Formats: sequence, C-alpha cells, structure tokens
Amino acid sequence: DAGVTQTPRHEVAEKGQTIILKCEPVSGHNDLFWYRQTKIQGLELLSYFRSKSLMEDGGAFKDRFKAEMLNSSFSTLKIQPTEPKDSAVYLCASSRDWGGYAEQFFGPGTRLTVL
Amino acid sequence: QQQVRQSPQSLTVWEGETAILNCSYEDSTFDYFPWYHQFPGESPALLIAIRPVSNKKEDGRFTIFFNKREKKFSLHIADSQPGDSATYFCAASDYNTNTGKLTFGDGTVLTVKP
Repeated sequence: DAGVTQTPRHEVAEKGQTIILKCEPVSGHNDLFWYRQTKIQGLELLSYFRSKSLMEDGGAFKDRFKAEMLNSSFSTLKIQPTEPKDSAVYLCASSRDWGGYAEQFFGPGTRLTVL
Repeated sequence: QQQVRQSPQSLTVWEGETAILNCSYEDSTFDYFPWYHQFPGESPALLIAIRPVSNKKEDGRFTIFFNKREKKFSLHIADSQPGDSATYFCAASDYNTNTGKLTFGDGTVLTVKP
C-alpha cells in the first residue's frame, strides 16, 4: 500500500502569495491531520478531519490557513497570504478510525520557504 | 497550554548506555501514550505505545515505563546505538473523546556517540 503522499516537496513563495499544499492519505484511512513543524514550536496541529468532516481547525491558525478535504483521498492546505513566519515543514498524517489508539502515518512533508 | 511536557530537550549518551527520555502530562483523561521518533530529514514514525492497563511496555531495546499516579511516563533505550540518534516525541490522547488527535511534546534530541 502507498503511504501518505504530499506535493510539492519544496515550495518557495514571496510574501503575500497564496500557496496550496496537497496531501493524499493512506487508502482506507478516515482521519487526516495537518501539522506545522518548526524547531522552535515543534509539532503544531493545524487541522484535523474525520471522514472528510472538519473536527478541529487549529485555533490560532484560522485567519490565513484553510484546510479542505473534498473527498476521502485528497486534502489541501491553503495559506493566504503567506508571511515569512510561515516558513516551516508542513506535515500531513493519516490514521484509521480506531478512536484514540490509531497510529498516525506521516507523509514526507512540504518544506515551505517564504521570502 | 502545554499539556505534554518532555525533558530533557537534548540528551547525549555513549554507545551501549541506556538513554532515558521523560514525559509528563496534565490531563487525567489521557489514556494512550505513544512515542514517535524522527530521523534527520525524515518524518515522525511510531516507535512504541502504551495504554494504562499496564505500567510497562517492552519492544526489544525500547521500554516505556508508566506512572499513572504521578502522570509521568518515560522511554528507556537500552544498549543505545549511533543509529538511534534522532528526535523522540512523546504524545498522549484521550480514547473517550473518540478522536484520533494526539497531543505531542516538544521532543528530545538524542545523540548517541560511538
């Protein structure tokens, strides 16, 4: 089975641009998570979907970050407008619908640099 | 609010020693505690996990010790190898919320010197 895939692997944006990151979860997984990872802040949850329904939208990330899941096999994360402080690795993860005990499988991540 | 705290931030041990990584939590409803590891340039991956039905979980050289009363759990890596050098994240979740959401700690960077 294919793991979680993310595209692009690297993205360079100018301040103020709109960027869209893409994620395909493991086939059959019902939970999908978007995280931001930086050395200072660690792993921060941006959004969480269960069976395409938004369960959590990451509080502090609401204003410029929008995640969508139009079908069970594809999700996007839009950042609009981008700011230099958004430079980070964005990770997508998925897991089966086994409540709180399911293993999260992470994708390779998208490294975003905002100039 | 930091619900899962890790210590130390970084740890260096010699090859063959036991590395001990610590975590504590605040929410008494947490009842699933996984450890993920992340090698440089890679993504996090599940290493080992424990549920509070027991206070110890072993998998080869990796052991989780769990103390429910003190709300603490630790990862012991026996006979540490240079290949164990990575960042280790502890996490916690509440099964009763029926969500897959994990609360992660900030990570411990482990370096094993040959």
